[in-house]
Amino acid sequence: DTGVSQDPRHKITKRGQNVTFRCDPISEHNRLYWYRQTLGQGPEFLTYFQNEAQLEKSRLLSDRFSAERPKGSFSTLEIQRTEQGDSAMYLCASSLDGTSIHEQYFGPGTRLTVT
Amino acid sequence: GESVGLHLPTLSVQEGDNSIINCAYSNSASDYFIWYKQESGKGPQFIIDIRSNMDKRQGQRVTVLLNKTVKHLSLQIAATQPGDSAVYFCAEGMNRDDKIIFGKGTRLHILP
Repeated sequence: DTGVSQDPRHKITKRGQNVTFRCDPISEHNRLYWYRQTLGQGPEFLTYFQNEAQLEKSRLLSDRFSAERPKGSFSTLEIQRTEQGDSAMYLCASSLDGTSIHEQYFGPGTRLTVT
Repeated sequence: GESVGLHLPTLSVQEGDNSIINCAYSNSASDYFIWYKQESGKGPQFIIDIRSNMDKRQGQRVTVLLNKTVKHLSLQIAATQPGDSAVYFCAEGMNRDDKIIFGKGTRLHILP
């Protein structure tokens, strides 16, 4: 257990429905990242926050995706009008800015299946 | 575009032997490189990192080698154990944002 938690662990939804995932990072970590991972591939960067500010979004993050970190603590990732291509593992990670160690602590992920 | 890739998708190693997992990268501007281990059903777990101005770094049972001339990174695991079975990813990052670019992964299979 890395100290990063994600909820839910699994989500099955029908195409066209909206889904929301939650990530609780390690409490003192000011950076929070979202990644998407498909089977057999490495995680792909989606977006990241420094405290409550969303600093960068990947072009993978279409208009149907939105992420928030309202109080600089937990974060949510929402996917609207889900498509079958959204099926993947969604990983959250956190880190502490300003250290010499480039370690991101990953949560267990939320596996999304769109039917 | 930028890419971090691996030469072999699967590596089988006898228990007790040393494992060497290789990785090629293309972005010479990366500030550091990282190896992550991912077990089934879990998120990636940090193993070791190396700054771009270094060529070798050792941890507990692991050594990472960086050859910037040929843009090659390797992870050596000494005395491989059953618990080392996992998918290993190399990744690269920049100091300015710590955004990590992952490669495709190598599955390490330990033979009894």
